[in-house]
Amino acid sequence: DVKVTQSSRYLVKRTGEKVFLECVQDMDHENMFWYRQDPGLGLRLIYFSYDVKMKEKGDIPEGYSVSREKKERFSLILESASTNQTSMYLCASSPSTTGDHGELFFGEGSRLTVL
Amino acid sequence: AQKITQTQPGMFVQEKEAVTLDCTYDTSDPSYGLFWYKQPSSGEMIFLIYQGSYDQQNATEGRYSLNFQKARKSANLVISASQLGDSAMYFCAMDSGGYQKVTFGTGTKLQVIP
Repeated sequence: DVKVTQSSRYLVKRTGEKVFLECVQDMDHENMFWYRQDPGLGLRLIYFSYDVKMKEKGDIPEGYSVSREKKERFSLILESASTNQTSMYLCASSPSTTGDHGELFFGEGSRLTVL
Repeated sequence: AQKITQTQPGMFVQEKEAVTLDCTYDTSDPSYGLFWYKQPSSGEMIFLIYQGSYDQQNATEGRYSLNFQKARKSANLVISASQLGDSAMYFCAMDSGGYQKVTFGTGTKLQVIP
């Protein structure tokens, strides 16, 4: 069974802390994505990666960075967490490469609360 | 830049009736894909249906069909014979561009009434 695993379902952090959200997929997918989901705003793309060590900014990259050192792992980093980063974070992967289109496979989500 | 617009924040439908969820999109890429996902209250994202920009026929998957009108840039989801289990958030999404950047709309919350 294909799987995208996010390391933490629930996190509570303090303002200014450095936060790591980890995502691992076991499907050998090229593409990986980080979204945040907020009520009324849908899913907004933070960053995505189409290959190891490659990353592209999404629509709301400010305040976030990412790391993809291995194909199966895509990490989202909040260098200095702020209260407006309280949200549900969803990781996804897809097998698509340029010129093809494929569905996204999602993790269960990480609900982050910044106090 | 690519954009997905879902103008219906919430909808109600009677059980066994059909319902249409609206989605319009904007992209300058000639090649793109359109998707619908379902998110029940449990939170998982479930892929429903896909339509490619060059596909001549509308996509169908069981009770789901995608009404693709390219000239109007619309990709509405039609659910036939609604069931109580269809109550969920529904997201329209699009990928385009060379590296499969996937953009989502704001979602429509569908509630099926017995």
